[in-house]
Amino acid sequence: GAGVSQTPSNKVTEKGKYVELRCDPISGHTALYWYRQSLGQGPEFLIYFQGTGAADDSGLPNDRFFAVRPEGSVSTLKIQRTERGDSAVYLCASSLRWAGTGANVLTFGAGSRLTVL
Amino acid sequence: AQKITQTQPGMFVQEKEAVTLDCTYDTSDPSYGLFWYKQPSSGEMIFLIYQGSYDQQNATEGRYSLNFQKARKSANLVISASQLGDSAMYFCAMRGRSEKLVFGKGTKLTVNP
Repeated sequence: GAGVSQTPSNKVTEKGKYVELRCDPISGHTALYWYRQSLGQGPEFLIYFQGTGAADDSGLPNDRFFAVRPEGSVSTLKIQRTERGDSAVYLCASSLRWAGTGANVLTFGAGSRLTVL
Repeated sequence: AQKITQTQPGMFVQEKEAVTLDCTYDTSDPSYGLFWYKQPSSGEMIFLIYQGSYDQQNATEGRYSLNFQKARKSANLVISASQLGDSAMYFCAMRGRSEKLVFGKGTKLTVNP
């Protein structure tokens, strides 16, 4: 696609429920990133994929959070037993290059706003 | 670990004037990259400009320039000839050896007519 697509754009759920957020990166981009942005804060790194594998998941806050990218394209961020503190905008980004060389500019999607009641 | 500090929660500028948004960083990595992103109210992060730590010259992209002072560990964004459409949140970010892009808390820029 022309840009990074994220669905749903808005998700309201109840505490304790399971949530999936989907990211469709730019075609051909091998690297995919998930970030979380709380109100009034900058984006916070969650996880990074190079191809199908999670190269760095050090930002996932706890074991309720999990992400997959089974075919090296679309990724799904999964949150189990949601808590009110999980409410945030979840941003996905993709890039063509990896390994930290050069600019390696990340292109972001519009985000999925999660509200946990 | 990398850290980005943006000390200006909000800035105001008159249309057509220049404005500088401050960013300082901290890292132990010898090689790193510095980025600025714009986030309008629509929420999407838009890449503006990049500066590599070994680049000899300050980066420029149209009305955006990056005032890179390595010894001071600062990477301020300069926007010339401000436009109403420049009103947005601006985030400074950096990447070191890892692939993580670490962001600051951002500066809200308001351009007044």
